[in-house]
Amino acid sequence: GAGVSQSPSNKVTEKGKDVELRCDPISGHTALYWYRQSLGQGLEFLIYFQGNSAPDKSGLPSDRFSAERTGGSVSTLTIQRTQQEDSAVYLCASSLTETQYFGPGTRLLVL
Amino acid sequence: GQQLNQSPQSMFIQEGEDVSMNCTSSSIFNTWLWYKQDPGEGPVLLIALYKAGELTSNGRLTAQFGITRKDSFLNISASIPSDVGIYFCAGLRTGTASKLTFGTGTRLQVTL
Repeated sequence: GAGVSQSPSNKVTEKGKDVELRCDPISGHTALYWYRQSLGQGLEFLIYFQGNSAPDKSGLPSDRFSAERTGGSVSTLTIQRTQQEDSAVYLCASSLTETQYFGPGTRLLVL
Repeated sequence: GQQLNQSPQSMFIQEGEDVSMNCTSSSIFNTWLWYKQDPGEGPVLLIALYKAGELTSNGRLTAQFGITRKDSFLNISASIPSDVGIYFCAGLRTGTASKLTFGTGTRLQVTL
């Protein structure tokens, strides 16, 4: 069906608030990834899911960041007590083999 | 986190010119990928390379997997305005659960 979708496409929040970012992977893709892209930078790995489990959380920058995946499909990335340095584009990707397909991203701005 | 060294950082070229960009790493990768990102979009896969020394083409794009497995280059021939965007290399190591390490990006601008 459709490609990877993410919502919201843009999010403006105040410092200290919590935000939830959603990713709908391509149907049937078992692997799901979250990346962060700061302005003018490359992509920074955050977390990887295989099914509903997360064997690699090594990229999460702090304990304010968490993610879950349910039903082997939708994933939510939660950032608690947001800080201005959290402002970035958060990209989700899914894959069945090695090739990762990316969503359009959520642009997060923390004021 | 680690990022691959990608150069040049940006390029301004005229339509019809050929473009070359490369990516280097201090460590070995088993797979090299090249992505293009348009404004407001996620990266789109252009070419995947799976074997050292491999040379692969996709239309006007040609990419090579360096024999040391520590570098890769991408060539775009006869550039057109729609080639504008940011190009990223990405490396993948066996056993890293498909965690991609991305380059810093090359911003391409094509003038008429």
